[in-house]
Amino acid sequence: AQSVTQPDIHITVSEGASLELRCNYSYGATPYLFWYVQSPGQGLQLLLKYFSGDTLVQGIKGFEAEFKRSQSSFNLRKPSVHWSDAAEYFCAVNSGSARQLTFGSGTQLTVLP
Amino acid sequence: NAGVTQTPKFQVLKTGQSMTLQCAQDMNHEYMSWYRQDPGMGLRLIHYSVGAGITDQGEVPNGYNVSRSTTEDFPLRLLSAAPSQTSVYFCASSRRGTGDSWPQHFGDGTRLSIL
Repeated sequence: AQSVTQPDIHITVSEGASLELRCNYSYGATPYLFWYVQSPGQGLQLLLKYFSGDTLVQGIKGFEAEFKRSQSSFNLRKPSVHWSDAAEYFCAVNSGSARQLTFGSGTQLTVLP
Repeated sequence: NAGVTQTPKFQVLKTGQSMTLQCAQDMNHEYMSWYRQDPGMGLRLIHYSVGAGITDQGEVPNGYNVSRSTTEDFPLRLLSAAPSQTSVYFCASSRRGTGDSWPQHFGDGTRLSIL
C-alpha cells in the first residue's frame, strides 16, 4: 500500500534562510506527488505537483521540489523563507484510481524574525 | 468566486446525535471528496465522488454516509456521532482532466467536537 513519511514534525528557520522539507514515499508504480500548505484555520492549498518528466518542479510562492526515484523522495525547497511561509506543509502521493491522495502527517514550519 | 464552502465552521455534538456537514462548490467540478484531519496523522480520505450520483468509500468510511444529488453539493452525514469522530473535516474538489483532477481546492474546514 502507498504511504508517505515526513520525518520532521517541526522545523524552525530564520527569515531569509533556505528551507528544505523532507518527504519519502512508498508506491508500487510511478507516483504522482504533491505538496500542500495549510495556514492556520484554513484549508489546504496546492503548492506543486509532479507527474512525470523533469524531476525538478516549480510551484507557487517560490517553492520547488525535486523527485528522486532512487531515494523515494520528493523534498520541498525554498531558497529564502519569508515570515508568511510559516504554516504546516503536507506531502501526498496518489492512491487508488479515482484521483485520491494519501497524505503524510505534516511538517510545521516556524519562521523566526 | 466562492470556491469550496463548508458549513458550519464549528459544531459540538453529544454522543449519539446526528448531523450533516455541508460542502458546496461553484466551479462545476466533477470530483469531490471528504477528508478528516487528526493531530499527527495528516488527512485521511472518508468518501469521494466522481460525479453526481456516484460515490465511493475511502480509507476511513465507517460511521459516515454521503450522497451526491447535484454537481455542486456533497454533504457528509454522521448518523450516530461518537467521540472518535472528533476531528477537523475538509471537503475538496477538482475537475476532470489529466492535470487538474487531483484535489486542488479545499474548504476552510469544519471543526467538530463530540462529547
